[in-house]
Amino acid sequence: AQSVTQPDIHITVSEGASLELRCNYSYGATPYLFWYVQSPGQGLQLLLKYFSGDTLVQGIKGFEAEFKRSQSSFNLRKPSVHWSDAAEYFCAVVPFSGGYNKLIFGAGTRLAVHP
Amino acid sequence: DSGVTQTPKHLITATGQRVTLRCSPRSGDLSVYWYQQSLDQGLQFLIQYYNGEERAKGNILERFSAQQFPDLHSELNLSSLELGDSALYFCASSGDVGTTDQETQYFGPGTRLLVL
Repeated sequence: AQSVTQPDIHITVSEGASLELRCNYSYGATPYLFWYVQSPGQGLQLLLKYFSGDTLVQGIKGFEAEFKRSQSSFNLRKPSVHWSDAAEYFCAVVPFSGGYNKLIFGAGTRLAVHP
Repeated sequence: DSGVTQTPKHLITATGQRVTLRCSPRSGDLSVYWYQQSLDQGLQFLIQYYNGEERAKGNILERFSAQQFPDLHSELNLSSLELGDSALYFCASSGDVGTTDQETQYFGPGTRLLVL
């Protein structure tokens, strides 16, 4: 079945440590890929997206993500986490192009940051 | 600020009642999407409108309906409300087909609905 998997429900890191959040998808072709962040009580903010081209994409707030076709993965990374990064992170895909397509979301990874 | 606005921010109502959630897309965006976020189901797509016409339907209950008006704002109507309808409802918008933003959805702050 077509799906988006975020294997880690909760992750805790220390402030200043590096971070990697995992995302895998199962679609026949390469979908359009996104990471969104949801701070407590807030809406969803787009961090970055991948459509094609360079497999390493840069986003806002110092985040980057790498698309690996062979692993059907789109992992989110940050070299040094700040306390303000504590939030829930969602990986999402649009399976097909055309402008008429819904986002399929993973279950989310909740990030806690220790001082 | 994504440019997508939603009202109200919070809504508390009783079972059996009907509510209307409102969304204004980013300036120039023709597509509006509605999503429901609940603890047990996660983020689920409900319905999409493009320039006033329904384009795609997801896991939307028959008790729920939506429309998009000529000024492109959209309303999601929820009727015969049940306790299980308590959730965060998001609206998103995306750019016109043929533009670089057609596949990117920008989300509003959401409406938190509590059914008692």
